[in-house]
Amino acid sequence: AQSVAQPEDQVNVAEGNPLTVKCTYSVSGNPYLFWYVQYPNRGLQFLLKYITGDNLVKGSYGFEAEFNKSQTSFHLKKPSALVSDSALYFCAVRDYDYGQNFVFGPGTRLSVLP
Amino acid sequence: NAGVTQTPKFQVLKTGQSMTLQCAQDMNHNSMYWYRQDPGMGLRLIYYSASEGTTDKGEVPNGYNVSRLNKREFSLRLESAAPSQTSVYFCLTGPNYGYTFGSGTRLTVV
Repeated sequence: AQSVAQPEDQVNVAEGNPLTVKCTYSVSGNPYLFWYVQYPNRGLQFLLKYITGDNLVKGSYGFEAEFNKSQTSFHLKKPSALVSDSALYFCAVRDYDYGQNFVFGPGTRLSVLP
Repeated sequence: NAGVTQTPKFQVLKTGQSMTLQCAQDMNHNSMYWYRQDPGMGLRLIYYSASEGTTDKGEVPNGYNVSRLNKREFSLRLESAAPSQTSVYFCLTGPNYGYTFGSGTRLTVV
């Protein structure tokens, strides 16, 4: 069975600084990896995904993520944080080779301080 | 607009009452999922359907039933609601063009 870990409950960063939100995963086969964002009292919005190909994936709002197979990680990054990036971020994985189960991590709350 | 529609958006139930949450998509997606979101617990998978006519249990299926009525619709039923089922429920569909969430149903059981 697949699983996702987001080791930090909370990440604080100053506006203008680079940000990283960490994600590690476990699957038996090949991973489909995703990042979603949830703003307060809102639904979940898709940011980016890794299916295959280039390990550096670019997504919405200037976010990117790097797939690292040897470290089983898929960290979310942004070169310069904005206050408006403050939200709850979820990493998710689907095992491409074994079924349709789609598992989310517990979420990381990002606070960008002005 | 194409997308995922969840109904209702809000619901208050008394303990023991039943209700059905509806999810409909017009994205021609094969896979549909139901999650619940609770503070500090993230998103937990209740049930999913890989294709029309199939359903599978997720992490927290107890107290719920599902029906994949056709390719477009996937419903979640609470037969006898309990306060522990107070949560926000999200439907997710995919995988064509990625996986898309519905806007959620906020359910309170008193």
